[in-house]
Amino acid sequence: DGGITQSPKYLFRKEGQNVTLSCEQNLNHDAMYWYRQDPGQGLRLIYYSQIVNDFQKGDIAEGYSVSREKKESFPLTVTSAQKNPTAFYLCASILKGGNEQFFGPGTRLTVL
Amino acid sequence: ELKVEQNPLFLSMQEGKNYTIYCNYSTTSDRLYWYRQDPGKSLESLFVLLSNGAVKQEGRLMASLDTKARLSTLHITAAVHDLSATYFCAPSLGGGGKLIFGQGTELSVKP
Repeated sequence: DGGITQSPKYLFRKEGQNVTLSCEQNLNHDAMYWYRQDPGQGLRLIYYSQIVNDFQKGDIAEGYSVSREKKESFPLTVTSAQKNPTAFYLCASILKGGNEQFFGPGTRLTVL
Repeated sequence: ELKVEQNPLFLSMQEGKNYTIYCNYSTTSDRLYWYRQDPGKSLESLFVLLSNGAVKQEGRLMASLDTKARLSTLHITAAVHDLSATYFCAPSLGGGGKLIFGQGTELSVKP
């Protein structure tokens, strides 16, 4: 089955730790995106990548980093510089020239 | 900067009634998405509207797009409890697929 997978589903982090969220897709999509959702809010764009080895900051990139070494993978690292990282993180992808942007199941990050 | 406003933010309906959710956005966009989100879940794609005057229907939901007015609507016909969820509109900024989300409309359909 084609789709987007995110892991882990739940993640707990101590203050001061870096953590990495995984996003993998086997849809052969070109572009991938990371969004953050806070309770009762819409999604905000963190980073996106339209091709391998290239990515751009979104609206709230501070305290986050990404890499795009393979077409199917777009991991997100939440660094200790992110002041309030507790949120629901969603990864999405779209085929170049395609119309539909598909979302993964999400990772819920909690800082203890 | 593209801003998106949805209204209402909360909507409580009785089963069998009709209602419309509005999505206004501030600058030109080449396409607009509607998504559904159930509590604690990811987003499910409902509609992609690609051009002015586009209208799409799926079951009890119908979405339309007026690019000149920068307005999209999601109309609910004869609501049923299963439609209870949060609905987001998201116009696309530029050609790169960057979506700017509204705040969401939390819909509750009561018997």
